[in-house]
Amino acid sequence: SYDLTQPPSVSVSPGQTASITCSGETLGEKYASWYQQKPGQSPVLVIFEDTKRPSGIPERFSGSNSGNTATLTISGTQAMDEADYYCQVWDSGIVVFGGGTKLTVL
Amino acid sequence: EVHLVESGGGLVQPGGSLRLSCAGSGFSFSSHWMTWVRQAAGKGLEWVANIKQDGSQIYYMDSVKGRFTIYRDNAKNSVYLQMDSLRAEDTALYYCARDQVMNILTGYYDYWGQGTLVTVSS
Repeated sequence: SYDLTQPPSVSVSPGQTASITCSGETLGEKYASWYQQKPGQSPVLVIFEDTKRPSGIPERFSGSNSGNTATLTISGTQAMDEADYYCQVWDSGIVVFGGGTKLTVL
Repeated sequence: EVHLVESGGGLVQPGGSLRLSCAGSGFSFSSHWMTWVRQAAGKGLEWVANIKQDGSQIYYMDSVKGRFTIYRDNAKNSVYLQMDSLRAEDTALYYCARDQVMNILTGYYDYWGQGTLVTVSS
């Protein structure tokens, strides 16, 4: 089975840049997506096809994917960005989520 | 506006069955792949199954193969998850979600329901 590995937690100061990584074998050959989930809420798609933002997602969210690592970058992080973030890929119909990263803004 | 509403969750004994439903509205339901994703309390997201627009292609995670069945009724704008031989480890909040793009499988989900809670316990 295919595995995606994320750091359990990332901390960032308000206004700074947060980077959350997602690692998997030849991940750069697949499309990565990212979801934000706040406590008690359903996940929200923030990045798809490695770099694209759905409408309504702030420009401070960006993504990249190369080699074995996909990265979600949040520039000028705000308190409202504190949440769990999950990377996700699919291959031949099978979907895989990373274990999730808790982003703390402090 | 797009809405997905899950129902059918509840408490069931190990070995029992449950059928989850997800009703979609505000979009062309029959044009989208649909998926079920679950989340155990305090844990991460776990994909369960997905189904093509016309039901002709279906995929499952390994641990539910042979126990869960995903199907849909486009006339009712609904997708279902029949869960049999339930185990304690199936306890989770079950979400349905819509594949973003019409008529193809993209593997990313732009709308999610609020989830329905399944508890498997004696």
